[in-house]
Amino acid sequence: DVKVTQSSRYLVKRTGEKVFLECVQDMDHENMFWYRQDPGLGLRLIYFSYDVKMKEKGDIPEGYSVSREKKERFSLILESASTNQTSMYLCASERGTLNTEAFFGQGTRLTVV
Amino acid sequence: KNEVEQSPQNLTAQEGEFITINCSYSVGISALHWLQQHPGGGIVSLFMLSSGKKKHGRLIATINIQEKHSSLHITASHPRDSAVYICASFASYSGGGADGLTFGKGTHLIIQP
Repeated sequence: DVKVTQSSRYLVKRTGEKVFLECVQDMDHENMFWYRQDPGLGLRLIYFSYDVKMKEKGDIPEGYSVSREKKERFSLILESASTNQTSMYLCASERGTLNTEAFFGQGTRLTVV
Repeated sequence: KNEVEQSPQNLTAQEGEFITINCSYSVGISALHWLQQHPGGGIVSLFMLSSGKKKHGRLIATINIQEKHSSLHITASHPRDSAVYICASFASYSGGGADGLTFGKGTHLIIQP
């Protein structure tokens, strides 16, 4: 079974804190992604990575950064958390071939107070 | 720009009923995902299809490329099928990969005993 594991299911952080969301996959997938999911808006792509140390902005990268130092791990960083970053965050990974199936983590529900 | 519309947004049915969820998209696609999200957030990929029909247990997914339309059917529905169902399409111009996924806003299904 492909496993995509996110480090936390629920997080509560204060405004201005630096927040790290970690995602690990165990199937040697090249591509990894961070999405946020909000009611009425669906899933929106924040950042993605095709390779170690490589990152690309998605549709809503503002306020976020990412790190991919190892192939299996993709971290999402909120440099200074704000209340409008309260959301469900989902990590996904896939093999780097055409039309490959994406596998999702269990999600991290982040609340910024 | 690819747009994905799902209907209905919310659906409540009795156990045993036949369920249909619809998904329409606006541009030529290379493949379409059906995803399931249970309360708590984790997303599971149910199907990825590019033509015809796929069946897995009580779940059936169909796609009509010419009409730009896909349906997810659940036969003999059960309360454990209660979840959010999301369709996501790969636009043909994107080359595939989850960076090219466009998500519908999801259908919230509740099956009552």
